[in-house]
Amino acid sequence: QVQLVQSGAEVKRPGASVKVSCKASGYTFSSYYIHWVRQAPGQGFEWMGTINPSSGGTSYAQRFQGRVTMTRDTSTSTVYMEVISLRSEDTALYYCARRRPADPFDIWGQGTMVTVSS
Amino acid sequence: EIVLTQSAGTLSLSPGERATLSCRASQSISDSYLAWYQQKPGQAPRLLIYGASSRATGIPDRFSGSGSGTDFTLTISRLEPEDFAVYYCHQYYTSSFTFGGGTKVEIK
Repeated sequence: QVQLVQSGAEVKRPGASVKVSCKASGYTFSSYYIHWVRQAPGQGFEWMGTINPSSGGTSYAQRFQGRVTMTRDTSTSTVYMEVISLRSEDTALYYCARRRPADPFDIWGQGTMVTVSS
Repeated sequence: EIVLTQSAGTLSLSPGERATLSCRASQSISDSYLAWYQQKPGQAPRLLIYGASSRATGIPDRFSGSGSGTDFTLTISRLEPEDFAVYYCHQYYTSSFTFGGGTKVEIK
């Protein structure tokens, strides 16, 4: 079936970086953009950016420019998101989700908890 | 950035009752690029409604969406035990995608 499976939980020190993966299956990888959305504890959702799996082109939310990098590996249908210079405010559940233009996010990964603590 | 406001933080209702959830946008969302998601504890969001009023695949017909412009509504006609959850509205009209703060529907 169609699914996005994310990597496991991470605990990082402030200033470190983290790389989260999102493996797609059950559909044509290049047909849907992959987006990353995070949800801090008890908070709402915050869109971080997107990658076109076909071209590798990316677009990031302004507040994450320079701190977030999204890449993809077409051979394994996997998308990666790296966040550098982590701070405590980055503690959140990070989701990947797929989307086609003019459509909403229809399939989400199970989420990856990233905890930033000294 | 379009701000989405879900005014009711929590609705306390009984099974079988009707739930009406609202979502107001800070500016008009053309072509009704508005979706609703359901989220249960420890789970990812589940798409319920897209295009303001179209049900996603496999969503029961007790869920319905309406509205246009800046005012949107999600209605659950008769609450089932599995419907008690948090509901979020989401606009995908602009590329700075935003979400409402959520409405929790809890058992009264």
